[in-house]
Amino acid sequence: GENVEQHPSTLSVQEGDSAVIKCTYSDSASNYFPWYKQELGKRPQLIIDIRSNVGEKKDQRIAVTLNKTAKHFSLHITETQPEDSAVYFCAAKRNNDMRFGAGTRLTVKP
Amino acid sequence: NAGVTQTPKFQVLKTGQSMTLQCAQDMNHEYMSWYRQDPGMGLRLIHYSVGAGITDQGEVPNGYNVSRSTTEDFPLRLLSAAPSQTSVYFCASSLGGSFYNEQFFGPGTRLTVL
Repeated sequence: GENVEQHPSTLSVQEGDSAVIKCTYSDSASNYFPWYKQELGKRPQLIIDIRSNVGEKKDQRIAVTLNKTAKHFSLHITETQPEDSAVYFCAAKRNNDMRFGAGTRLTVKP
Repeated sequence: NAGVTQTPKFQVLKTGQSMTLQCAQDMNHEYMSWYRQDPGMGLRLIHYSVGAGITDQGEVPNGYNVSRSTTEDFPLRLLSAAPSQTSVYFCASSLGGSFYNEQFFGPGTRLTVL
């Protein structure tokens, strides 16, 4: 089955800096790659997603890039703010099966 | 809309007990799923359903049963609870499983098995 690896497991940045989280996947048939943000004690919420026929997608300060050949995708957050502090999960989906990475705990220091 | 709701929020079981975690959605979503979340392991898919009467296994189905008699409800049954099933359980739903649709998660159920 699909295997998703996510790095780093923890990331600490200064407010205003950029943050990058990287994921790799193993199943070349995966065709949908969402990113979720989970605040402490809360449910995961979708922040951005990308389909396999798109190389890059941007939504304000958040962007995702996908390299299908290398089977990796990345989340980019620019101008980080303290409220960006949370755990971020990447995922890869094939048909009805969604597999998640282990998560990255992002801390934005004011 | 209430979205995706789960009950109970917290539950403590003894080894060997059985129980049902409830999940309901009012968005007329076809696809529903159950995940468990353990520290350092992200979310792992237990079972999913693409519509009433149709269920299938995910990544970690052992020890769990599901059924889908209505579009709205997707309960998860623990047959004989074990300490390894201590986890936070999330139910999720989306318009269609095979399409690029956002999954909406419920608030979660924190289960402890002693």
